Amino acid sequence: KNEVEQSPQNLTAQEGEFITINCSYSVGISALHWLQQHPGGGIVSLFMLSSGKKKHGRLIATINIQEKHSSLHITASHPRDSAVYICAVPLGGAQKLVFGQGTRLTINP
Amino acid sequence: SQTIHQWPATLVQPVGSPLSLECTVEGTSNPNLYWYRQAAGRGLQLLFYSVGIGQISSEVPQNLSASRPQDRQFILSSKKLLLSDSGFYLCAWGGQLGDGYTFGSGTRLTVV
Repeated sequence: KNEVEQSPQNLTAQEGEFITINCSYSVGISALHWLQQHPGGGIVSLFMLSSGKKKHGRLIATINIQEKHSSLHITASHPRDSAVYICAVPLGGAQKLVFGQGTRLTINP
Repeated sequence: SQTIHQWPATLVQPVGSPLSLECTVEGTSNPNLYWYRQAAGRGLQLLFYSVGIGQISSEVPQNLSASRPQDRQFILSSKKLLLSDSGFYLCAWGGQLGDGYTFGSGTRLTVV
């Protein structure tokens, strides 16, 4: 079993829909990261969460430490949000990231 | 702010040829540095990490090696590339508690 599990693996929605991507982890962590990978491969760090909730524009990330679960929400989704979204947790003294398998999001106009 | 420079962006190399990918970091000192690889259709996999000059830890046995000759420089190398070395290679800075991660723009390597 992977230490980080994401769902769904693929998600297709219409422009304007509210999107939720889930991430569960099985280890104790200091923080959880949400990343965005565009088709060209480049990765952008969206959020680093250790508790509660963070918001940046139309993106909202929440984490429940007790339940070992985090969600990434996108409000008023747009085709430019189409990307792979990855959650990751740092482990060990060197804080090596362990990644979920990613969620491929496609927003149709 | 911290930035990472990674080059080249794309590379096509024949089997058996050597490889050198370079990553440099600006805006921080003594960073934790990481090399990740993403094979086609797969998730990201940690290859190497370094917590200081000359300190390299390998996560998986493979045909690659890494070096950190300077505090802000991380190099991924191979003496003889295999077809299975094809993939997308990412360098990253981060890991200090309380800090986030910054990723390089990546190198897409195709071994032919």
